[in-house]
Amino acid sequence: ELKVEQNPLFLSMQEGKNYTIYCNYSTTSDRLYWYRQDPGKSLESLFVLLSNGAVKQEGRLMASLDTKARLSTLHITAAVHDLSATYFCAVDGRGGEAGTALIFGKGTTLSVSS
Amino acid sequence: SAVISQKPSRDICQRGTSLTIQCQVDSQVTMMFWYRQQPGQSLTLIATANQGSEATYESGFVIDKFPISRPNLTFSTLTVSNMSPEDSSIYLCSVKMGNEQFFGPGTRLTVL
Repeated sequence: ELKVEQNPLFLSMQEGKNYTIYCNYSTTSDRLYWYRQDPGKSLESLFVLLSNGAVKQEGRLMASLDTKARLSTLHITAAVHDLSATYFCAVDGRGGEAGTALIFGKGTTLSVSS
Repeated sequence: SAVISQKPSRDICQRGTSLTIQCQVDSQVTMMFWYRQQPGQSLTLIATANQGSEATYESGFVIDKFPISRPNLTFSTLTVSNMSPEDSSIYLCSVKMGNEQFFGPGTRLTVL
Protein backbone atom coordinates (compact mmCIF):
# COMPACT_ATOMS: atom_id res chain seq x y z
CA GLU A 1 0.00 0.00 0.00
CA LEU A 2 1.32 3.41 -0.97
CA LYS A 3 2.04 5.64 2.01
CA VAL A 4 2.80 9.33 2.10
CA GLU A 5 3.88 10.65 5.47
CA GLN A 6 4.39 14.26 6.43
CA ASN A 7 5.91 15.72 9.52
CA PRO A 8 5.27 17.67 11.47
CA LEU A 9 1.47 17.67 11.21
CA PHE A 10 1.23 20.96 13.07
CA LEU A 11 3.76 23.73 13.07
CA SER A 12 3.63 26.96 14.99
CA MET A 13 6.25 29.43 13.87
CA GLN A 14 7.31 32.92 14.72
CA GLU A 15 7.61 35.45 11.96
CA GLY A 16 11.12 35.63 10.58
CA LYS A 17 12.07 32.08 11.52
CA ASN A 18 13.03 29.23 9.20
CA TYR A 19 11.63 25.72 9.20
CA THR A 20 11.36 22.58 7.08
CA ILE A 21 8.44 20.27 6.42
CA TYR A 22 9.32 16.69 5.50
CA CYS A 23 7.49 14.31 3.19
CA ASN A 24 8.38 10.63 2.98
CA TYR A 25 6.74 8.26 0.53
CA SER A 26 6.83 4.54 -0.05
CA THR A 27 6.53 4.26 -3.83
CA THR A 28 9.24 4.51 -6.47
CA SER A 29 7.72 7.62 -8.01
CA ASP A 30 10.10 10.15 -9.54
CA ARG A 31 7.61 12.95 -9.09
CA LEU A 32 6.27 14.77 -6.12
CA TYR A 33 3.73 17.56 -5.70
CA TRP A 34 3.22 20.25 -3.09
CA TYR A 35 -0.09 22.03 -2.56
CA ARG A 36 -1.34 24.77 -0.29
CA GLN A 37 -4.85 24.91 1.14
CA ASP A 38 -6.30 27.92 2.92
CA PRO A 39 -9.26 27.36 5.27
CA GLY A 40 -12.46 26.81 3.34
CA LYS A 41 -10.65 26.86 0.01
CA SER A 42 -9.57 24.32 -2.58
CA LEU A 43 -6.01 23.27 -3.29
CA GLU A 44 -3.47 25.54 -4.92
CA SER A 45 -0.52 23.92 -6.68
CA LEU A 46 2.82 25.15 -5.34
CA PHE A 47 5.46 22.90 -6.88
CA VAL A 48 5.75 19.91 -9.16
CA LEU A 49 9.10 18.15 -8.73
CA LEU A 50 9.80 15.91 -11.70
CA SER A 51 13.14 14.26 -11.07
CA ASN A 52 15.74 13.32 -8.52
CA GLY A 53 17.57 16.38 -7.23
CA ALA A 54 14.90 18.78 -8.44
CA VAL A 55 14.75 22.03 -6.53
CA LYS A 56 12.16 24.74 -7.01
CA GLN A 57 11.74 28.05 -5.24
CA GLU A 58 8.92 30.55 -5.10
CA GLY A 59 9.25 33.45 -2.73
CA ARG A 60 9.93 32.18 0.78
CA LEU A 61 9.23 28.55 -0.12
CA MET A 62 11.72 26.10 -1.55
CA ALA A 63 11.00 22.46 -2.35
CA SER A 64 13.44 19.67 -3.11
CA LEU A 65 13.23 16.01 -4.05
CA ASP A 66 15.51 13.06 -3.30
CA THR A 67 14.00 10.05 -5.04
CA LYS A 68 16.63 7.66 -3.71
CA ALA A 69 15.68 8.51 -0.14
CA ARG A 70 12.00 8.89 -1.16
CA LEU A 71 12.03 12.23 0.60
CA SER A 72 10.91 15.72 -0.27
CA THR A 73 11.32 18.84 1.81
CA LEU A 74 9.51 22.15 1.83
CA HIS A 75 11.70 24.81 3.38
CA ILE A 76 10.23 28.03 4.70
CA THR A 77 12.55 31.01 4.95
CA ALA A 78 11.79 34.01 7.18
CA ALA A 79 8.16 33.07 7.69
CA VAL A 80 5.43 35.67 7.39
CA HIS A 81 1.81 35.50 8.51
CA ASP A 82 0.57 35.10 4.93
CA LEU A 83 2.17 31.66 4.81
CA SER A 84 -0.27 30.34 7.42
CA ALA A 85 -2.12 27.49 5.68
CA THR A 86 -2.14 23.72 5.36
CA TYR A 87 0.51 22.24 3.09
CA PHE A 88 0.09 18.87 1.44
CA CYS A 89 2.58 16.71 -0.40
CA ALA A 90 1.37 14.08 -2.86
CA VAL A 91 2.69 11.42 -5.21
CA ASP A 92 1.28 9.63 -8.24
CA GLY A 93 -0.71 6.59 -7.18
CA ARG A 94 -0.36 3.02 -8.34
CA GLY A 95 3.38 2.78 -7.85
CA GLY A 96 4.13 6.16 -9.24
CA GLU A 97 2.42 5.61 -12.57
CA ALA A 98 2.09 8.88 -14.41
CA GLY A 99 -1.45 9.89 -15.23
CA THR A 100 -2.91 8.29 -12.14
CA ALA A 101 -4.58 10.15 -9.31
CA LEU A 102 -2.43 11.68 -6.63
CA ILE A 103 -2.23 10.19 -3.18
CA PHE A 104 -1.86 12.75 -0.42
CA GLY A 105 -0.08 13.03 2.87
CA LYS A 106 -2.01 14.11 5.94
CA GLY A 107 -0.96 17.72 5.58
CA THR A 108 1.02 20.12 7.73
CA THR A 109 -0.94 22.96 9.27
CA LEU A 110 1.32 25.97 9.59
CA SER A 111 0.54 28.88 11.86
CA VAL A 112 2.82 31.91 11.75
CA SER A 113 2.54 34.47 14.50
CA SER A 114 4.35 37.67 15.33
CA SER B 1 -3.90 24.63 -17.03
CA ALA B 2 -7.49 23.60 -16.43
CA VAL B 3 -10.41 25.57 -15.02
CA ILE B 4 -12.80 23.36 -13.10
CA SER B 5 -16.22 24.34 -11.80
CA GLN B 6 -18.46 22.41 -9.44
CA LYS B 7 -22.12 22.65 -8.57
CA PRO B 8 -23.42 23.08 -5.98
CA SER B 9 -20.73 24.84 -4.00
CA ARG B 10 -22.41 23.77 -0.77
CA ASP B 11 -25.53 22.05 0.43
CA ILE B 12 -27.24 20.95 3.59
CA CYS B 13 -29.12 17.68 3.23
CA GLN B 14 -31.24 15.39 5.34
CA ARG B 15 -30.05 11.88 6.11
CA GLY B 16 -31.35 9.23 3.77
CA THR B 17 -31.45 11.55 0.76
CA SER B 18 -29.06 11.75 -2.20
CA LEU B 19 -27.10 14.61 -3.73
CA THR B 20 -25.57 14.81 -7.18
CA ILE B 21 -22.49 16.96 -7.62
CA GLN B 22 -21.55 18.21 -11.07
CA CYS B 23 -18.05 18.87 -12.34
CA GLN B 24 -17.29 20.80 -15.52
CA VAL B 25 -13.81 21.24 -17.02
CA ASP B 26 -12.87 23.80 -19.66
CA SER B 27 -10.72 21.28 -21.57
CA GLN B 28 -11.16 17.73 -22.74
CA VAL B 29 -9.50 15.30 -20.35
CA THR B 30 -9.26 11.55 -20.34
CA MET B 31 -9.38 10.95 -16.61
CA MET B 32 -11.27 12.77 -13.92
CA PHE B 33 -10.91 12.04 -10.24
CA TRP B 34 -13.21 12.47 -7.28
CA TYR B 35 -11.84 13.05 -3.78
CA ARG B 36 -13.37 13.42 -0.36
CA GLN B 37 -11.94 15.64 2.35
CA GLN B 38 -13.48 15.04 5.72
CA PRO B 39 -13.34 17.87 8.28
CA GLY B 40 -9.76 18.57 9.29
CA GLN B 41 -8.44 15.67 7.22
CA SER B 42 -6.46 15.11 4.07
CA LEU B 43 -7.84 14.20 0.66
CA THR B 44 -8.94 10.64 0.01
CA LEU B 45 -9.43 9.38 -3.52
CA ILE B 46 -12.93 8.02 -4.10
CA ALA B 47 -12.71 6.96 -7.74
CA THR B 48 -11.23 7.55 -11.16
CA ALA B 49 -13.71 8.26 -13.96
CA ASN B 50 -12.79 7.59 -17.58
CA GLN B 51 -15.10 8.60 -20.37
CA GLY B 52 -16.90 5.66 -21.87
CA SER B 53 -16.16 3.18 -19.12
CA GLU B 54 -17.21 2.45 -15.57
CA ALA B 55 -15.46 4.32 -12.82
CA THR B 56 -12.75 2.59 -10.83
CA TYR B 57 -13.35 2.83 -7.10
CA GLU B 58 -10.77 2.84 -4.34
CA SER B 59 -10.88 0.53 -1.38
CA GLY B 60 -13.67 1.52 0.97
CA PHE B 61 -15.83 3.17 -1.69
CA VAL B 62 -18.56 1.39 -3.65
CA ILE B 63 -20.60 2.24 -6.69
CA ASP B 64 -23.94 1.86 -4.91
CA LYS B 65 -22.98 4.58 -2.46
CA PHE B 66 -21.08 6.85 -4.86
CA PRO B 67 -22.34 6.34 -8.41
CA ILE B 68 -20.39 8.31 -10.98
CA SER B 69 -21.25 9.31 -14.51
CA ARG B 70 -18.84 10.46 -17.21
CA PRO B 71 -20.88 11.20 -20.30
CA ASN B 72 -18.18 13.15 -22.15
CA LEU B 73 -14.61 14.42 -21.89
CA THR B 74 -15.46 17.63 -20.02
CA PHE B 75 -18.13 16.60 -17.53
CA SER B 76 -18.72 14.20 -14.65
CA THR B 77 -21.14 13.75 -11.79
CA LEU B 78 -20.76 12.15 -8.40
CA THR B 79 -23.83 11.14 -6.43
CA VAL B 80 -23.69 10.65 -2.69
CA SER B 81 -26.51 8.22 -1.98
CA ASN B 82 -28.52 7.48 1.14
CA MET B 83 -26.56 10.06 3.06
CA SER B 84 -25.66 9.92 6.72
CA PRO B 85 -23.91 12.54 8.88
CA GLU B 86 -20.63 10.67 8.28
CA ASP B 87 -20.83 11.78 4.64
CA SER B 88 -20.42 15.42 5.68
CA SER B 89 -17.28 16.41 3.80
CA ILE B 90 -15.90 18.48 1.00
CA TYR B 91 -16.05 16.64 -2.32
CA LEU B 92 -13.51 17.72 -4.92
CA CYS B 93 -13.31 17.02 -8.61
CA SER B 94 -9.85 16.88 -10.13
CA VAL B 95 -8.12 16.37 -13.47
CA LYS B 96 -4.61 15.71 -14.60
CA MET B 97 -3.11 17.61 -17.51
CA GLY B 98 0.50 17.11 -18.39
CA ASN B 99 2.52 17.00 -15.21
CA GLU B 100 -0.01 18.79 -13.05
CA GLN B 101 -3.20 17.88 -11.25
CA PHE B 102 -5.84 20.56 -10.86
CA PHE B 103 -8.70 20.75 -8.42
CA GLY B 104 -12.15 22.21 -8.53
CA PRO B 105 -13.38 24.57 -5.80
CA GLY B 106 -15.12 21.71 -3.97
CA THR B 107 -18.65 21.02 -2.79
CA ARG B 108 -19.16 21.39 0.94
CA LEU B 109 -21.79 18.89 2.05
CA THR B 110 -23.42 18.87 5.47
CA VAL B 111 -25.76 16.01 6.34
CA LEU B 112 -28.15 16.48 9.26
